[in-house]
Amino acid sequence: SSELTQDPALSVALGQTVRITCQGDSLRNYYGSWYQQRPGQAPILVIYAQNNRPSGIPDRFSGSSSGNTASLTITGAQAEDAADYYCNSRDSSGSSVIFGGGTKLTVL
Amino acid sequence: QVQLVQSGAEVKKPGASVKVSCEASGYTFSAYYIHWVRQAPGQGLEWMGWINPNSGGTHYEQKFEGRVTMTRDTSISAAYMELNRLTSDDTAVYYCAREDEDSSTLYASYYFDYWGQGTLVTVSS
Repeated sequence: SSELTQDPALSVALGQTVRITCQGDSLRNYYGSWYQQRPGQAPILVIYAQNNRPSGIPDRFSGSSSGNTASLTITGAQAEDAADYYCNSRDSSGSSVIFGGGTKLTVL
Repeated sequence: QVQLVQSGAEVKKPGASVKVSCEASGYTFSAYYIHWVRQAPGQGLEWMGWINPNSGGTHYEQKFEGRVTMTRDTSISAAYMELNRLTSDDTAVYYCAREDEDSSTLYASYYFDYWGQGTLVTVSS
């Protein structure tokens, strides 16, 4: 299939760890990437190529991949991590791009 | 530094067309695909298609085939997305994004490392 599935919403207590997952057949052939989007802002890349962080992204953000699942982990969540998180990858054909439906993260 | 700067907000009537621009700077424009992604109010990200600035080749999400045209002007490092026959369902923020790739890993990885600021297109009678 050409879909990526994410939990619609998650919550985490301040300073605790949360894992956001993304499932889809395309992830058996392509690493997923992760984007953070705060309200009213453009998305920003937080993880790519399984577990690489762009410059400026805190090291509390990490990624992993197993089978058809990509995961984004935030270790020691901060208040500013409250946002929507999206995964994406090329689809199984390699020509198109697919996004997960997004996970709204609340930091309590 | 890499920047993608998009054109300003647009208000269009149903049935009209809109053309959004995305001006790139800080890198070799022809070396990276440009993708277009939209986000309807309160909704998730929806991929629309890409353009290869080097060749001008394009690939569109099937949903938009026949209604969208992506072009580029390499002389000014700009990409464009034109959407025709607008309806209220096309009301959204439209983003351009640069795609990079990492082929050094076990699996291929394609990712959007830079995004434009977004262009709000409102379709209303």
